[in-house]
Amino acid sequence: GAVVSQHPSRVICKSGTSVKIECRSLDFQATTMFWYRQFPKQSLMLMATSNEGSKATYEQGVEKDKFLINHASLTLSTLTVTSAHPEDSSFYICSARGVRGGLSTDTQYFGPGTRLTVL
Amino acid sequence: GQNIDQPTEMTATEGAIVQINCTYQTSGFNGLFWYQQHAGEAPTFLSYNVLDGLEEKGRFSSFLSRSKGYSYLLLKELQMKDSASYLCAAPSNDYKLSFGAGTTVTVRA
Repeated sequence: GAVVSQHPSRVICKSGTSVKIECRSLDFQATTMFWYRQFPKQSLMLMATSNEGSKATYEQGVEKDKFLINHASLTLSTLTVTSAHPEDSSFYICSARGVRGGLSTDTQYFGPGTRLTVL
Repeated sequence: GQNIDQPTEMTATEGAIVQINCTYQTSGFNGLFWYQQHAGEAPTFLSYNVLDGLEEKGRFSSFLSRSKGYSYLLLKELQMKDSASYLCAAPSNDYKLSFGAGTTVTVRA
């Protein structure tokens, strides 16, 4: 399958600081990237959808000013958690779909995830 | 909206077969995905069904019946490494994935 990377894999920060998470598609052009959050023993919840070159669309209940998303190129999207608080501690996962080998793919490929702990 | 149901847990013995059922109600149909997720890791793609019938991929097969809103993932010749959560997911018209709660499969020796 296609390869999606995320960085960092794990981050611990103090309350009130901002954290940036990068999501990269390594072998295909990601026209759409998705950001999910997963709390322990729960399923993935979609936070936002970002299309290359346009503003992200956020799911209901997700604060766009707190979770800043930038999708500046076909291979990179970033999620910045601003003024993080302990309740933001979670597993953040990105996924991407797009064009691979000249063909559009409906399959979403997931990055390895970023575990954020806010103290 | 999307509503996806799957069992919470299943346990089976190494070498056995397990079938994980998924029923879904979606506004529009855009296929059905199955992902495997090991604890602490991101989901990995297993299968994508758009047409009715069974698709076999090695030890894993996936079945779809669009008229019944039903799919299953079949795991054959279970191995210890198959212990994981299996997620059924349906995409909306704009490719957003809605996930079921996941089925935790425990493989015992």
